[in-house]
Amino acid sequence: DAGVIQSPRHEVTEMGQEVTLRCKPISGHNSLFWYRQTMMRGLELLIYFNNNVPIDDSGMPEDRFSAKMPNASFSTLKIQPSEPRDSAVYFCASSSPPYRYTFGSGTRLTVV
Amino acid sequence: AQSVTQPDIHITVSEGASLELRCNYSYGATPYLFWYVQSPGQGLQLLLKYFSGDTLVQGIKGFEAEFKRSQSSFNLRKPSVHWSDAAEYFCAVGSANQAGTALIFGKGTTLSVSS
Repeated sequence: DAGVIQSPRHEVTEMGQEVTLRCKPISGHNSLFWYRQTMMRGLELLIYFNNNVPIDDSGMPEDRFSAKMPNASFSTLKIQPSEPRDSAVYFCASSSPPYRYTFGSGTRLTVV
Repeated sequence: AQSVTQPDIHITVSEGASLELRCNYSYGATPYLFWYVQSPGQGLQLLLKYFSGDTLVQGIKGFEAEFKRSQSSFNLRKPSVHWSDAAEYFCAVGSANQAGTALIFGKGTTLSVSS
C-alpha cells in the first residue's frame, strides 16, 4: 500500500494566485481529513469527509478555502486567492473506523 | 468545548534518561486517546492508543502511556530515551461514541535529546 499520497510536496506561489492541493487516500478508508499545521496554532482540522460527503467544514478559515471529494480516491483543497498568512504545512489523512488514521507527508505551502 | 492541552512546548532530555510528556484533555463524551510522533518533514505516525480496558497502554518504540480519568490526563512515558526519539509529539482525542468524527490534536511538544 502506497499510503496517503499528497501533491505537490512543496508549493511556492505569489499572493493572489490560486493554489490547489491534492490528496489520494488509502483504498477502503471511508473518512478523509484536511489539517493545517503552523507553529502558532499547531494542527488544526480544516474539514473532513465521510463517504465523500463533507461532514464538518467549521475549521475552514474563510471563503477563500474550499475542498472537494468527487470520489473515494481523490480530494482537493483549494485556496483562491492565496495570502501570505496561508503559508503552512497542509496534511491530508484518511481513516477507517475507529480512528485508524494514516497521514500523508504533507504539502508545504509558501505564499510570497 | 473539546480540547487537548500539552503544557510543555519544548523539552530537552539527556540520552538514557527517562521521559514524561504531559497531555490533558477536555471532552464531554467518553474519549479515545492517542499519541503520535512527527519527524521533521514527515507526517504523523501513531505511537499508541487507548480505547478501553487497562489504563496503561504499550506502544511502539518502547513508549507507554497511562490514562487517568480523574485527572483527564494521558501522559506519555519512556524509561530510557534514545537520540532517535528527538521529534515532535502530539496527543489527540476522539469520541468513543462517534468513531467517524475527527481527532482533535494538541499543539505538540518538541523533544530534544542531548548527549
